[in-house]
Amino acid sequence: DGGITQSPKYLFRKEGQNVTLSCEQNLNHDAMYWYRQDPGQGLRLIYYSQIVNDFQKGDIAEGYSVSREKKESFPLTVTSAQKNPTAFYLCASSRTANQISYEQYFGPGTRLTVT
Amino acid sequence: DAKTTQPNSMESNEEEPVHLPCNHSTISGTDYIHWYRQLPSQGPEYVIHGLTSNVNNRMASLAIAEDRKSSTLILHRATLRDAAVYYCILRRSGGSNYKLTFGKGTLLTVNP
Repeated sequence: DGGITQSPKYLFRKEGQNVTLSCEQNLNHDAMYWYRQDPGQGLRLIYYSQIVNDFQKGDIAEGYSVSREKKESFPLTVTSAQKNPTAFYLCASSRTANQISYEQYFGPGTRLTVT
Repeated sequence: DAKTTQPNSMESNEEEPVHLPCNHSTISGTDYIHWYRQLPSQGPEYVIHGLTSNVNNRMASLAIAEDRKSSTLILHRATLRDAAVYYCILRRSGGSNYKLTFGKGTLLTVNP
């Protein structure tokens, strides 16, 4: 089945540790995105990538880093510089980033808890 | 970016139609209206989108007002699986159209 996988579903870390969230898609989509969702809130864009080896900051990129070395993979690293890392992280992809008629497909999310 | 306004919550009975409203009085001519929904503890799911004309697909219908200042997502027969938060989102062609700007959406409760 085509889709987006995120792992793990739940992740626990101690404060001060970096952690990397995995996102893989087999939809052959060019564009990939990372969003963050806090309880009772909508989604906020962290980073996005329109093509391999290229990515841009979203609205809340501080304390996060990404890489896009392969078309199907877009891992997100939450660094110790992120002040409030506990959240629900969602990865998405779309055929391209430029066509607004193309929907974004979302993964099941990773719930990160930092204590 | 143009904003959307949705009710915080709505309630429906199973097998009855549901009309979810969205106001977007500052919409521009190049803004598409998109709807997504998010089931509990899951990622959002695309539902439907349109520009000016009413749209139908297997999941829902989208009715767009003639002046485009409002729209309504219609679920023809609600099921318990339709209980979710529904987001109405405007996407403008050109510029920063790559991102989806999610508000708080409407929490739909479906009663058996």
